[in-house]
Amino acid sequence: GENVEQHPSTLSVQEGDSAVIKCTYSDSASNYFPWYKQELGKGPQLIIDIRSNVGEKKDQRIAVTLNKTAKHFSLHITETQPEDSAVYFCAADTGRRALTFGSGTRLQVQP
Amino acid sequence: SAVISQKPSRDICQRGTSLTIQCQVDSQVTMMFWYRQQPGQSLTLIATANQGSEATYESGFVIDKFPISRPNLTFSTLTVSNMSPEDSSIYLCSPKKGNTEAFFGQGTRLTVV
Repeated sequence: GENVEQHPSTLSVQEGDSAVIKCTYSDSASNYFPWYKQELGKGPQLIIDIRSNVGEKKDQRIAVTLNKTAKHFSLHITETQPEDSAVYFCAADTGRRALTFGSGTRLQVQP
Repeated sequence: SAVISQKPSRDICQRGTSLTIQCQVDSQVTMMFWYRQQPGQSLTLIATANQGSEATYESGFVIDKFPISRPNLTFSTLTVSNMSPEDSSIYLCSPKKGNTEAFFGQGTRLTVV
């Protein structure tokens, strides 16, 4: 089955800096790659996703890149703000079953 | 997106008892999944709730411990049976419409004492 690895496990940045979280996946059949943000006491919230037919997608300060050949995808957050502090999860999906999640990255943005 | 109502939002239960968690979605969904998130950990798939048939369980999870019902395309329940402290986790339902986004509710925070 699919295996998703996520790095780093923790990330601390200064407000205004950029943050990058990286994931790799094993199943070449995976074609959908969402990213979730989970704040304390809440369920995961979908923040951005990318499908295998595109290499990059942006939504304001958030972008995701995908390299299908290398089987890795990354989340980029620019101009970080304290409210970006949360745990971020990447995931992979073939579209026919449940998501396989990475281990999570705890992002802390220092004001 | 989908609006997901999961109940209860949290509970503290005695070991040996059972708790049934309900998940209501505001629209029909083809797939419904149940996940467990242990403290400080990622999400682990428990099972796929199948409408009108028995759920499909992942390795390490069994029907006797986590019975699941899905009577229609908008509702499902997960029961955590004969609970022990090791079952203390957040339990999350996640509806999914075909090859589209998966959403999560607030989850049920379970503490077993």
